[in-house]
Amino acid sequence: DQQVKQNSPSLSVQEGRISILNCDYTNSMFDYFLWYKKYPAEGPTFLISISSIKDKNEDGRFTVFLNKSAKHLSLHIVPSQPGDSAVYFCAASGASGTYKYIFGTGTRLKVLA
Amino acid sequence: EAQVTQNPRYLITVTGKKLTVTCSQNMNHEYMSWYRQDPGLGLRQIYYSMNVEVTDKGDVPEGYKVSRKEKRNFPLILESPSPNQTSLYFCASSGTGGQPQHFGDGTRLSIL
Repeated sequence: DQQVKQNSPSLSVQEGRISILNCDYTNSMFDYFLWYKKYPAEGPTFLISISSIKDKNEDGRFTVFLNKSAKHLSLHIVPSQPGDSAVYFCAASGASGTYKYIFGTGTRLKVLA
Repeated sequence: EAQVTQNPRYLITVTGKKLTVTCSQNMNHEYMSWYRQDPGLGLRQIYYSMNVEVTDKGDVPEGYKVSRKEKRNFPLILESPSPNQTSLYFCASSGTGGQPQHFGDGTRLSIL
């Protein structure tokens, strides 16, 4: 049972436009959500996070939105750049008061120049 | 330079031959964790450790063991590897459990 789902395996966006990556979760006890970016042959790197007490967090070109009622979060990248081409994973934690992390299956973003 | 170091980076071995993948971090982090990445399944947490001598199961702990005798090291042990443990493995660490994790560059294991 996949508790964190990224239903779009891939996404292509034109350079300069907005990229929107989506993530759904099923466990309402999650209280901390993160996005990681992964390039080939490297480990994931942290991008941005959000606590369940917030509905938006912004860091430069990256904004994460959390809709708790819909159990949905999204990552917006504006403007998209070719260097943003990577696999993006969302992750959730905090259920049952633990620091066990559940990751989604990833979305491959391709930003076209 | 702050880093998480995994060794080996690549290993091809045979079923049943015990192996250990080492992980070391130089950031004095309390939290460490192991993940495996498989096509179509994303990253799945195997074990995590909140601090020295404190470990707990992640989502897919079967067939793996860990130990945390020192703060900086968190080895992953496969006592009797099987082909279904062929995967890309990542070690990660963070200051505490509720902080973003730093990941190593991965260890690709092939078990024949």
